[in-house]
Amino acid sequence: AQTVTQSQPEMSVQEAETVTLSCTYDTSESDYYLFWYKQPPSRQMILVIRQEAYKQQNATENRFSVNFQKAAKSFSLKISDSQLGDAAMYFCAYTAEDYGGSQGNLIFGKGTKLSVKP
Amino acid sequence: EAQVTQNPRYLITVTGKKLTVTCSQNMNHEYMSWYRQDPGLGLRQIYYSMNVEATDKGDVPEGYKVSRKEKRNFPLILESPSPNQTSLYFCASRKTGTGGFIGSGANVLTFGAGSRLTVL
Repeated sequence: AQTVTQSQPEMSVQEAETVTLSCTYDTSESDYYLFWYKQPPSRQMILVIRQEAYKQQNATENRFSVNFQKAAKSFSLKISDSQLGDAAMYFCAYTAEDYGGSQGNLIFGKGTKLSVKP
Repeated sequence: EAQVTQNPRYLITVTGKKLTVTCSQNMNHEYMSWYRQDPGLGLRQIYYSMNVEATDKGDVPEGYKVSRKEKRNFPLILESPSPNQTSLYFCASRKTGTGGFIGSGANVLTFGAGSRLTVL
């Protein structure tokens, strides 16, 4: 069964600094997607970034980037120039490629709570 | 506006009193799913539906029922709620894949705003 592990329950970063959140996963599939979701105090689930496993290039979205290591099954999130608004719970998630008939269900890690200090 | 709408957003109820949390999406998505979120456990899937009249259990289905009679609606039913069902619930939807097309981009879930349920 696929699993997603976030080993850091809580992290803290100084405003304007860089922080990296860790995520590892276990799967026997070769085609899959990985995601980072942000959940601010409003509880809304917000997609931060997505990585397709068949792409070697790491995904980037403005100040957010990932370090995707397929062989190591690692998918870390780097937040550069941290802002107060980045304070939230961050969830790593995995889904296998959806070939129509397959489930394609999203599997979440337990989350990392990020605090940003002014 | 494309969205997933859940109701109620907040509910306090008592053990054994049947309740339904509604979920509706306006994006013509085939796939819909319910998750519950508990501290330290992340989000766990309760039930999902690949399309109308096609539902299946997720990881924590005990104590819940669902139905999918219409494409846009996917209600979550708690027939006899118990305190261990106190949780934050999310409904989500997405389009399904296009059958073997890698990178179809169909796997991004849109989430509802969440429903905070307390069972006393």
